[in-house]
Amino acid sequence: RKEVEQDPGPFNVPEGATVAFNCTYSNSASQSFFWYRQDCRKEPKLLMSVYSSGNEDGRFTAQLNRASQYISLLIRDSKLSDSATYLCVVNTNAGKSTFGDGTTLTVKP
Amino acid sequence: SAVISQKPSRDICQRGTSLTIQCQVDSQVTMMFWYRQQPGQSLTLIATANQGSEATYESGFVIDKFPISRPNLTFSTLTVSNMSPEDSSIYLCSVVSGYTDTQYFGPGTRLTVL
Repeated sequence: RKEVEQDPGPFNVPEGATVAFNCTYSNSASQSFFWYRQDCRKEPKLLMSVYSSGNEDGRFTAQLNRASQYISLLIRDSKLSDSATYLCVVNTNAGKSTFGDGTTLTVKP
Repeated sequence: SAVISQKPSRDICQRGTSLTIQCQVDSQVTMMFWYRQQPGQSLTLIATANQGSEATYESGFVIDKFPISRPNLTFSTLTVSNMSPEDSSIYLCSVVSGYTDTQYFGPGTRLTVL
């Protein structure tokens, strides 16, 4: 079993749709959690950190459930520019990052 | 945030040769990380480069194949030795912000081995 598992995707949605990505992690000692976005042929860039209380940044909402070892990302009112691969990232307290395989989102007009 | 540059941005190499990738950060950092991203896959950590000590390699990666240098707190190199087509990949250098635990990546080096 992989340490970090994501929805396999791909997700193809129309503009304006709401889409949710899920991620589970196996290491209960994991300390911090992130969603990164990677555009084609580019390096990953931080989208948002994920906190236990949940956090929102505009159209993006991230949730963490430590008991279930589960992380989610919700994108509302999808834009064409949201098309990318979304990577779930989990850090242990040793500072080591483990990446999920990514979920590809394509938003269509 | 950290600004990271890598050189070269891409290269095409012959089987059996070696390539050294450079990573420069605009601030002093304790740890630098080297990742590999093979086509269609996510990132895999190769090693952690610590200044003043030997790099720490992840399972499946060895120093003879991927020697790393870390001469100071802003610079590191990764060498891909005795390359084969299976080494064709994007190699990314990364640092972590000590305050936010956020990871920043260089633009990557796209390597093709013929």
